[in-house]
Parts: sequence; structure tokens; C-alpha cells
Amino acid sequence: DTGVSQNPRHKITKRGQNVTFRCDPISEHNRLYWYRQTLGQGPEFLTYFQNEAQLEKSRLLSDRFSAERPKGSFSTLEIQRTEQGDSAMYLCASADRVYGYTFGSGTRLTVV
Amino acid sequence: GESVGLHLPTLSVQEGDNSIINCAYSNSASDYFIWYKQESGKGPQFIIDIRSNMDKRQGQRVTVLLNKTVKHLSLQIAATQPGDSAVYFCAVKSPNDYKLSFGAGTTVTVRA
Repeated sequence: DTGVSQNPRHKITKRGQNVTFRCDPISEHNRLYWYRQTLGQGPEFLTYFQNEAQLEKSRLLSDRFSAERPKGSFSTLEIQRTEQGDSAMYLCASADRVYGYTFGSGTRLTVV
Repeated sequence: GESVGLHLPTLSVQEGDNSIINCAYSNSASDYFIWYKQESGKGPQFIIDIRSNMDKRQGQRVTVLLNKTVKHLSLQIAATQPGDSAVYFCAVKSPNDYKLSFGAGTTVTVRA
């Protein structure tokens, strides 16, 4: 594995449903980030993990959002009671130090 | 917080010409800067980075220039090719911060 893997690539869900995305970082990277990107905008920071510890959460991460990184390996991002405004690309990035972020291809969420 | 802005939302360039994409940032203490390329449906792809102790860095066909005095960053692409058509983002990190702040992106279109 030479990159950050995200699954699924696309998700269409009905409003009010829960969704969960998975990110598998580059194996030796201890830092993991989630970002959200809406059409025509740059990515916006959501949350950051160092190993299994969630060290920072953005105000964008409402209480309907939860992220985990058990054992400091893969991470999941869950959105409960999805709303149309949650439609976006959800990007995961990993790094082994402060510098050098590698992004995955993202999960595109469409809430209908 | 950090504010990052691109000077032009779109750039059209003739194949073979040089491209210049500009970015302004707000926090004079920012210490790390990255340029990313994003193609449709994909995650941001690292192009080149520069730390605040440098003012120029070169890669393959790309050069990043950093002017800390006016808080300005630019990406120069030499001999632009059709495969360079994409959205380009600058990202900025502040000291003691884990996350990157992104600008809105410049869409580069290469004309044959």
C-alpha cells in the first residue's frame, strides 16, 4: 500500500440516515486528519488524530459527527441523522511528522 | 485563525507557456506552505512545499516562491501541459498548529 485509502468512494443516503466512512492511512503514519470539501471550495479541517488520540476537533464537527481511530490505525467518521448540508467530499490525510501530508481520494457523500 | 486567498479563481494558459498561480495568507507567523493539485473526483495531490526559512524551492517543472514580507506565495509551472489542467490549492500551516488552512483554489485550463 502506497497511499491513503478511503471507502466507500461514493455514498448516497437519505436524509436522516446514518453513514460511516473509513480511512486507512499510510501504515507508518501516526497522524491522521479528516477534512471536508464542498464544491468550489478548498478542504476545511474537521479533526486530527495522533495515534489513537483525537487531539483537535473543528467547530464544523457538530455533535452529529464522530470520529474514531482505534489502535491508532484506520479511522472512521460517522455522521448521524444526515442533513442535505452534509453533502460534500470527505477527505482523509495522513502524515508521519508535522510536514508532508498525503490525502486519500475522498468519499463523496450525497444526501437526498 | 488563518485566512488563505487565491488571487484568481481561474487561469487559462496556452500549452507550452508558463503558468503562475498566486496565493495570499494572513498569519505572518505561518511556517509551512504546500501547493496541491486536485483533479476532478480525486483528492488533493502534493506538488511542492516550502518552509518559512526559505524563499524559493524548485521541483520538476514547478517552482514555489515565498514572500514573507507581503505574505504571498506563488506557484510557477514551466512549459504547461494538458495534464496540468486541474484545480490548484495553496495550504498554510501555523506554528503549534496541526492542521492546514486552504484557499479556495485556482482552476487552470490548458489550451492546446
